[in-house]
Amino acid sequence: AQSVTQLGSHVSVSEGALVLLRCNYSSSVPPYLFWYVQYPNQGLQLLLKYTSAATLVKGINGFEAEFKKSETSFHLTKPSAHMSDAAEYFCAVSPSGTYKYIFGTGTRLKVLA
Amino acid sequence: DTGVSQDPRHKITKRGQNVTFRCDPISEHNRLYWYRQTLGQGPEFLTYFQNEAQLEKSRLLSDRFSAERPKGSFSTLEIQRTEQGDSAMYLCASSPRVGTDTQYFGPGTRLTVL
Repeated sequence: AQSVTQLGSHVSVSEGALVLLRCNYSSSVPPYLFWYVQYPNQGLQLLLKYTSAATLVKGINGFEAEFKKSETSFHLTKPSAHMSDAAEYFCAVSPSGTYKYIFGTGTRLKVLA
Repeated sequence: DTGVSQDPRHKITKRGQNVTFRCDPISEHNRLYWYRQTLGQGPEFLTYFQNEAQLEKSRLLSDRFSAERPKGSFSTLEIQRTEQGDSAMYLCASSPRVGTDTQYFGPGTRLTVL
């Protein structure tokens, strides 16, 4: 079965520091991959998606992610954290041949002043 | 394009009562999805519609749950004889027929079963 693993349920970074949120997926066929952000009591907002085009994907708010097939990873990065980045981040996979998403358990990002 | 809307945003009910949630997708999106999110977890897929046809249901969707999408527009999710374990955020999403199937999520309905 397809799965998504997000290492680190909580990550803290200082304002201005690099943000790195990890996501690994299990799939024999490269799927579609997504990163979503969720602010308290809100729905999910798409940050970026990988759809088998460029392996380095740029998203909104300065985030980007790199698809590495050999490592089955799709880590999310941002060069410089901002206080407004504090939120929960979810990695999701849409396996080939299906339309549903399978989400990881999420990583709560805390940005320290 | 006003985004995906859900109603109500919050629902508190007593165990054993029935509840119904509504989702209005983005206009012209023919696919509609329901997910359930419990505290500290990622959303879990419940069911999906293409137009008015319900094409996939998760094993999480017990016989107390039913979803409809009459006329292929809005959708309703009903939970009968609610249990405390049903307490969760219920998320609706929609996606267009073409493209890379990006799902756009609504704000969710938070259900609390007392």
